[in-house]
Amino acid sequence: QKEVEQNSGPLSVPEGAIASLNCTYSDRGSQSFFWYRQYSGKSPELIMFIYSNGDKEDGRFTAQLNKASQYVSLLIRDSQPSDSATYLCAVKRYRGSYIPTFGRGTSLIVHP
Amino acid sequence: EAGVAQSPRYKIIEKRQSVAFWCNPISGHATLYWYQQILGQGPKLLIQFQNNGVVDDSQLPKDRFSAERLKGVDSTLKIQPAKLEDSAVYLCASSLSGQEAFFGQGTRLTVV
Repeated sequence: QKEVEQNSGPLSVPEGAIASLNCTYSDRGSQSFFWYRQYSGKSPELIMFIYSNGDKEDGRFTAQLNKASQYVSLLIRDSQPSDSATYLCAVKRYRGSYIPTFGRGTSLIVHP
Repeated sequence: EAGVAQSPRYKIIEKRQSVAFWCNPISGHATLYWYQQILGQGPKLLIQFQNNGVVDDSQLPKDRFSAERLKGVDSTLKIQPAKLEDSAVYLCASSLSGQEAFFGQGTRLTVV
């Protein structure tokens, strides 16, 4: 089992719809969870992070964490074509210190 | 606030040659990361520094890769000798709190 798993996609949604991106992780001791967006040929940029079970909202983005089920999701409301990118999930796992591990990312395509 | 600076942006070398990458983190950021991102995959952590000390280098191929962060600011990552499979984007990131990380533009390495 991979440490951080994401469906590579692509996930295709129409403009204005809700995009739902999911990530599962294997280490129950993982502490903090991050979502990054990466446009083609660019570097990852942080969207948001979450530590506690439940939802965290920031504008059109909502991160959801369920530690019991070991998954974290990202919802994008009112999706726009400019949201088309790869979304990377990162988890901090304890290996002596808390070390970030990334999933392979999910490609999102928002079509007009 | 200036972002994370990396150089060079692109590098093409022949296998068995050596190469070095440079990173200047955001001012005041104590944590510095070097990642390797192969096309189609998520970033893989090579080494994490806290000031000028190594926090984790468990995934750094130490027979050919080395990294240093003198004086707890700038960092260099070196590969010697390079292999074809080292072709990737090398990303540097820094963090103030050790949580959210900010990435540089990366160095795209092609080994031929």
